[in-house]
Amino acid sequence: AQSVTQLGSHVSVSEGALVLLRCNYSSSVPPYLFWYVQYPNQGLQLLLKYTSAATLVKGINGFEAEFKKSETSFHLTKPSAHMSDAAEYFCAVSVDSGYSTLTFGKGTMLLVSP
Amino acid sequence: EAGVTQFPSHSVIEKGQTVTLRCDPISGHDNLYWYRRVMGKEIKFLLHFVKESKQDESGMPNNRFLAERTGGTYSTLKVQPAELEDSGVYFCASSPGTTNEQFFGPGTRLTVL
Repeated sequence: AQSVTQLGSHVSVSEGALVLLRCNYSSSVPPYLFWYVQYPNQGLQLLLKYTSAATLVKGINGFEAEFKKSETSFHLTKPSAHMSDAAEYFCAVSVDSGYSTLTFGKGTMLLVSP
Repeated sequence: EAGVTQFPSHSVIEKGQTVTLRCDPISGHDNLYWYRRVMGKEIKFLLHFVKESKQDESGMPNNRFLAERTGGTYSTLKVQPAELEDSGVYFCASSPGTTNEQFFGPGTRLTVL
């Protein structure tokens, strides 16, 4: 069985500051890892995904994440926060490349202040 | 291309009533998933269709929940009778099956009073 832990239900940053959202996973098999974002009144949108091709994954809107097997982590970063980044972010794990289900973390709400 | 759509966006019902949620996946996506997020908790898997067949329904909480996928197109999730603990946001997602990327709808917020 797999699980995901997101440290911090809320993270506050100032506009222009570094964004770091933490995700640790547990999986008995090599994982596929995802970050999704949910803007208010919208569905979950895929930011990026790790599929073993490269440990540093670049996504949309300037976000990236690094897969660290030794730390079982897949933290999400962005060098400079924008007000438009305020949203809820979800880390998720899957166990195959086909149609397995996603196991989510509890989500982290990112708050960006001017 | 239209994304995943869900109807209604909100539903408020009394305990004991019946509610039916609908999901229209992206056209051509054989895989359809239902997830639920109870307030303060993580998003949890409910079930997975491949075309019209239930591939995995291990996440369905109990037999008050019934999911169908007519002709492998849209899907409905019926809760009968609804209980207070069924309140939450119900998400639908679809994928083509050639990739594990799932495309999510906006969710239906269900409130049971």
